[in-house]
Amino acid sequence: DADVTQTPRNRITKTGKRIMLECSQTKGHDRMYWYRQDPGLGLRLIYYSFDVKDINKGEISDGYSVSRQAQAKFSLSLESAIPNQTALYFCAISLGQNYGYTFGSGTRLTVV
Amino acid sequence: DQQVKQNSPSLSVQEGRISILNCDYTNSMFDYFLWYKKYPAEGPTFLISISSIKDKNEDGRFTVFLNKSAKHLSLHIVPSQPGDSAVYFCAASRSNDMRFGAGTRLTVKP
Repeated sequence: DADVTQTPRNRITKTGKRIMLECSQTKGHDRMYWYRQDPGLGLRLIYYSFDVKDINKGEISDGYSVSRQAQAKFSLSLESAIPNQTALYFCAISLGQNYGYTFGSGTRLTVV
Repeated sequence: DQQVKQNSPSLSVQEGRISILNCDYTNSMFDYFLWYKKYPAEGPTFLISISSIKDKNEDGRFTVFLNKSAKHLSLHIVPSQPGDSAVYFCAASRSNDMRFGAGTRLTVKP
């Protein structure tokens, strides 16, 4: 099993639909993150969590919500998808501050 | 505001030569810097890092240099290999805030 697994890998959805992206990890790290990648903008932080009861907003949290269902699971929801949320989404885990992140393979989301 | 900038979207080098990827940052409070490599259809993978108390860190063919006064870091790959062809992201971190650059696509030609 991969250290970080994201599902689905690809998704096309319509404007206004609710969609959930899922992330699970096998490393037992407490810290989990959701990023989105857009061309020319790099990776931007949406939300992060340091344990099951800890949820924090990142740079661009508007229009998104998250749920940390267990230490190993961190899901990202778009309550009402809009076309400018079309992007590549990455989940990442970390052992702690000043450690490199381990990323999942990404979810390519297209909102039409 | 982009606090971490990679001004070169792409770089092409010959196999065996040196690749130098550059990164600038604006926030002097960043205290930890990292480089990630990304292949198509995969997530970024951590490559090398450096703390702000150092000015150089080396790992095999990869060396990261940090110039705090210029708010600049660079990644040197020597010698470059075709398998190094990928997108490279630099990142800067302070406390729980890690910011990424837009990436530089490196192509190493055989």
